[in-house]
Amino acid sequence: NAGVTQTPKFQVLKTGQSMTLQCAQDMNHNSMYWYRQDPGMGLRLIYYSASEGTTDKGEVPNGYNVSRLNKREFSLRLESAAPSQTSVYFCASSEFPGTYEQYFGPGTRLTVT
Amino acid sequence: GEDVEQSLFLSVREGDSSVINCTYTDSSSTYLYWYKQEPGAGLQLLTYIFSNMDMKQDQRLTVLLNKKDKHLSLRIADTQTGDSAIYFCAEKSNDYKLSFGAGTTVTVRA
Repeated sequence: NAGVTQTPKFQVLKTGQSMTLQCAQDMNHNSMYWYRQDPGMGLRLIYYSASEGTTDKGEVPNGYNVSRLNKREFSLRLESAAPSQTSVYFCASSEFPGTYEQYFGPGTRLTVT
Repeated sequence: GEDVEQSLFLSVREGDSSVINCTYTDSSSTYLYWYKQEPGAGLQLLTYIFSNMDMKQDQRLTVLLNKKDKHLSLRIADTQTGDSAIYFCAEKSNDYKLSFGAGTTVTVRA
């Protein structure tokens, strides 16, 4: 039981390049989330998926797209990376949207030059 | 909107108690949380408190909630070197969103 896994762990992109961050959970959770973590700012919600087949914007969705591929997987895509997207990205899941606990993956450290 | 604030750094001697403080603004918060992040790792839920409680104790951890002042604290008794980490306060005010503070970096010195 791996919990929430994310790939890659580290990535360096040039401005304008695209990439997809992958996230998978094996806990049969319905809800999944993408956050970014920036120094001195805590975590901010980018997008979430309350259940398979639905996605919604969070606080900071601009420059990102998401796909809930199936119940297990939720990917985050940067179509044209910008230096402002340099951050640590965390995926999380919870049993239901209202469940009190979210389980976090280990994070992806992205640098855009 | 929601706003969660906490001090950025805390240094504590091994064996002493640590107290990390947090203030929040959304009075409709249902749950309040403390998450721990160790270097290079994701966030791990340490403990949580429901908004109709004022205290929760879990082994070395004590959470105090003052709903009137919107103040949350986490006390770690007998602080150990393994407690060195970043601690995040968070509130849940709707089904989908956790609002996080910036995190308090706790350094335990011998």
